[in-house]
Amino acid sequence: QQQVKQSPQSLIVQKGGISIINCAYENTAFDYFPWYQQFPGKGPALLIAIRPDVSEKKEGRFTISFNKSAKQFSLHIMDSQPGDSATYFCAGRRGNKLVFGAGTILRVKS
Amino acid sequence: DTAVSQTPKYLVTQMGNDKSIKCEQNLGHDTMYWYKQDSKKFLKIMFSYNNKELIINETVPNRFSPKSPDKAHLNLHINSLELGDSAVYFCASSVRDRGNYGYTFGSGTRLTVV
Repeated sequence: QQQVKQSPQSLIVQKGGISIINCAYENTAFDYFPWYQQFPGKGPALLIAIRPDVSEKKEGRFTISFNKSAKQFSLHIMDSQPGDSATYFCAGRRGNKLVFGAGTILRVKS
Repeated sequence: DTAVSQTPKYLVTQMGNDKSIKCEQNLGHDTMYWYKQDSKKFLKIMFSYNNKELIINETVPNRFSPKSPDKAHLNLHINSLELGDSAVYFCASSVRDRGNYGYTFGSGTRLTVV
């Protein structure tokens, strides 16, 4: 019941396009859902996060959509840029533990 | 200025050796973690300490022993290294702030066992 499933594994988007990454979770005890961005050779960095009592959160070009009844959430990157090329991880938190999805490698073509 | 710093950044060692990775955070966070990222980039928690007390110990071989001398430091010692231990190990820290739980990760230690 700790699993977070993330798709797709990899994604190629044209510059200016919308990147969409989806996650589904099983554990209804998760109370916080962050997204992390990781560049090669670096640690994951918190990008944006949402609590389950909110259906959408937007920060700049990044938006999380959250569907509590379906136990799904997604990250939308508007106007995707080559600098957004990185690995993205969704996660669910319970207690002091973050459980991560398997990651999505995003490549934005210029 | 580095918030969570790990040393060394790279570690190449032979099977059977014992090695340590050090981690320090200057954020004033009260909880620290070790995560392992495998070759497929999957991130899995290993340990978590809160104010020097072990609070999470996932199914990790007992060759791995964390130590937290104070709440700003969390070290990882690995005995009798095996090929399968090759991975990137990330230290992280967090604090509860208005219900949010922002983890800050270090830049990782790439361990290669040959």
